[in-house]
Parts: sequence; C-alpha cells; structure tokens
Amino acid sequence: GESVGLHLPTLSVQEGDNSIINCAYSNSASDYFIWYKQESGKGPQFIIDIRSNMDKRQGQRVTVLLNKTVKHLSLQIAATQPGDSAVYFCAENAGGTSYGKLTFGQGTILTVHP
Amino acid sequence: DAGITQSPRHKVTETGTPVTLRCHQTENHRYMYWYRQDPGHGLRLIHYSYGVKDTDKGEVSDGYSVSRSKTEDFLLTLESATSSQTSVYFCAIRGDSNNEKLFFGSGTQLSVL
Repeated sequence: GESVGLHLPTLSVQEGDNSIINCAYSNSASDYFIWYKQESGKGPQFIIDIRSNMDKRQGQRVTVLLNKTVKHLSLQIAATQPGDSAVYFCAENAGGTSYGKLTFGQGTILTVHP
Repeated sequence: DAGITQSPRHKVTETGTPVTLRCHQTENHRYMYWYRQDPGHGLRLIHYSYGVKDTDKGEVSDGYSVSRSKTEDFLLTLESATSSQTSVYFCAIRGDSNNEKLFFGSGTQLSVL
C-alpha cells in the first residue's frame, strides 16, 4: 500500500525557537491526517489532526498545515520547550471506509536544547 | 491512556512458543487495533477489529492471529514466536465512528530469543 514518509529523521532546536516537522504522503485518496508525539517508553499521544477539506488547523502552540497539491503535511510547534523533545509521527487514513486504519510515517526525532 | 490497559508490559519468550498479548478497554469502543513498532518502520498495523468477532488483517498479519469475544478485550496471539517478532506492540482504540483519532495504550515490549 501507499505510505507516509518524512523528509528529516532528526531535528535539533533551541528552547524558545519555533519547530517545523515535515511529512510527505503519497495516497491522494487520504482525507484525514494526524500528528502524534511519542515519548520514550510510552505510546503515541495525539497532538492535532486535520481533514483534507482544510489547509490549516491550530491548536495550543501547534499548527498543522496541509498542502494537497504537493501532498505535504507539516507540524509547527511555537516556542519549543524541552518537554517537546520526543519522536513525532504523521499518519494518514486510507480514505473512504477504512475502519479508522492509519498508516504511519517513520517518525522525526525532535531534540530541544535548553 | 484513554482507558486502555495492555498486558503484560514486558515479556521474554523463546522461539517457537505461543504468546498472547491482551488489550483491555473500559470505554466500550467498537474499533480496536494492534500495531507493532520497529526502528525504521514506524508503526505498522497487524490486525484490527470493528466489533465483537469482527476482525480483519492489517499490513503485517503473517504469524499473528487475533480474537475479540467481548467488546472490552482484544487478544493478539503469536502462534509460534520468531525472533523477527521481537518488537513493541501497541493496542489502540478509536474514539467513535465520527472521530478518527486513535488512542494508544502504553505498549508491550516483547523479546523472542
């Protein structure tokens, strides 16, 4: 099946900087996208999601941007904090009646330096 | 963890032995999923369930079976464990039919020696 991928496996930033994590997807039928944060030894934790009828969605300190033309998704974290250090995954559904199955990218390691 | 309990949290077993992992949820959700997580592969879907006794295969189902005899429990069985099944296994539930977010348990670290 088609898969979701990430451009960069690691990202290192200074505390207070803004972080941008990118994700490319290839399934044009996907209509739902989601970002997860995973800390060491824990399960993935929901951050933010977006449907394909939207270009942008904002949460608390996070923004997801969706560019369907180039099949690109990004997660922006404002004023990054050391507690944001984790692995971040993007995921997509398969569109239609997919029973909620999500396909995950490989993940990006975000390291925030104090 | 959205009312999801995975057991055991850690297990070491030998090649060729059967292993069963349990996922228990307390919120009566219809959809449940088993994923495995390996370095370089992210999370990959093994099996999923869309109701009691309703299950289907994911992308990496070979060597695994599942059962869902009641809403709250989704069991994953490795019929004859192999070293390639050493992984971290995550159970997930879907909030409701109108909400596609998955909520994950804390995972089971399985080592097959």
